[in-house]
Amino acid sequence: AQSVAQPEDQVNVAEGNPLTVKCTYSVSGNPYLFWYVQYPNRGLQFLLKYITGDNLVKGSYGFEAEFNKSQTSFHLKKPSALVSDSALYFCAVSHDRDDKIIFGKGTRLHILP
Amino acid sequence: NAGVTQTPKFRILKIGQSMTLQCTQDMNHNYMYWYRQDPGMGLKLIYYSVGAGITDKGEVPNGYNVSRSTTEDFPLRLELAAPSQTSVYFCASSGRDHTDTQYFGPGTRLTVL
Repeated sequence: AQSVAQPEDQVNVAEGNPLTVKCTYSVSGNPYLFWYVQYPNRGLQFLLKYITGDNLVKGSYGFEAEFNKSQTSFHLKKPSALVSDSALYFCAVSHDRDDKIIFGKGTRLHILP
Repeated sequence: NAGVTQTPKFRILKIGQSMTLQCTQDMNHNYMYWYRQDPGMGLKLIYYSVGAGITDKGEVPNGYNVSRSTTEDFPLRLELAAPSQTSVYFCASSGRDHTDTQYFGPGTRLTVL
């Protein structure tokens, strides 16, 4: 069975500073990893994904994530945070032996002006 | 291009009532999903479909039913509403398979009293 963990309920970062939102996973096959963002009263929007290939994945709005197989992690990063990045971020995992996608509990990101 | 649409946006049900949450996508996607989102719990997969006529259970299917008679529509049925089904429900679709980006609808906020 697959699982995904987002160990931080909330992350606070000053505007202009780098940000990291953590995600670790557990799957029985090759992982497929995703990040989605949710703004208030909206559905989720896709940011980026890792299926295969380069471990560093670049996505929307200047976000990137690094797939680390040995640490089973897929942390979301951005070099310089914006106030508009404040939202709820979800990590999700699937794998090559199952159609299901499992979402983490979400991490609320607050960017302080 | 409307993407994924959901109706209704809000609904209040009494215990024991039934209702159908509607979901339609106009992107000719094969995969469709139903999730529920509860505070601090992230998204939980209720049911999913890999194509017309094919559905399968997710993490939390009890108390729900689905059907997929067309590519476009994936309704979610609650037969005997319970307070535990108070939640925000999201429908999503993806193109080829579960490695593809999911597109989410705006959600239905359901309260069962």
